[in-house]
Amino acid sequence: DAGVIQSPRHEVTEMGQEVTLRCKPISGHDYLFWYRQTMMRGLELLIYFNNNVPIDDSGMPEDRFSAKMPNASFSTLKIQPSEPRDSAVYFCASTDGTSRITDTQYFGPGTRLTVL
Amino acid sequence: KQEVTQIPAALSVPEGENLVLNCSFTDSAIYNLQWFRQDPGKGLTSLLLIQSSQREQTSGRLNASLDKSSGRSTLYIAASQPGDSATYLCAVGNTDKLIFGTGTRLQVFP
Repeated sequence: DAGVIQSPRHEVTEMGQEVTLRCKPISGHDYLFWYRQTMMRGLELLIYFNNNVPIDDSGMPEDRFSAKMPNASFSTLKIQPSEPRDSAVYFCASTDGTSRITDTQYFGPGTRLTVL
Repeated sequence: KQEVTQIPAALSVPEGENLVLNCSFTDSAIYNLQWFRQDPGKGLTSLLLIQSSQREQTSGRLNASLDKSSGRSTLYIAASQPGDSATYLCAVGNTDKLIFGTGTRLQVFP
């Protein structure tokens, strides 16, 4: 298996632009997580899905952030409009939930977002 | 609210040293604790998972311990190698979320 795939790997945009980050989970995994990593706050959970349904979005910082999972093999995290403070590395992770979902999560390589 | 702290934030040691990374958490009501390795430009790789009923786990040169009552975990790396250079993150698991510490950046020089 190719693992969790994220695209793009790097994104540089200007303040006010819309940004869309993409994630393909490992085939057969029915849980998908979006995390954000910054120097100040470390790695934080933004939202997670089970069977394509958002379960907990309490970590989404504000309404400018939205996430969707239209099917089992694809998810997007959108920021509109983007701001410089959104600059971070965004990780996607997935698991199959056969054990506790915090036991085994497989992480993608991340998307480094820079908002100028 | 659960808070996870890692000390030290950075560590630089010569090859061959045994070293200890520390992780502390404020709420002992956890399901598990996990140590991850993060390499630049790559995702996180799980190194060791300790369930709340366990005291320690070992994998090769790595040994992780858990003391729930005191809210502490340690990662022991024996005979460190340059290839161990990375950022090490601990994370505590509650019902459905992982809560991460801010990491220890380790550099092992030849």
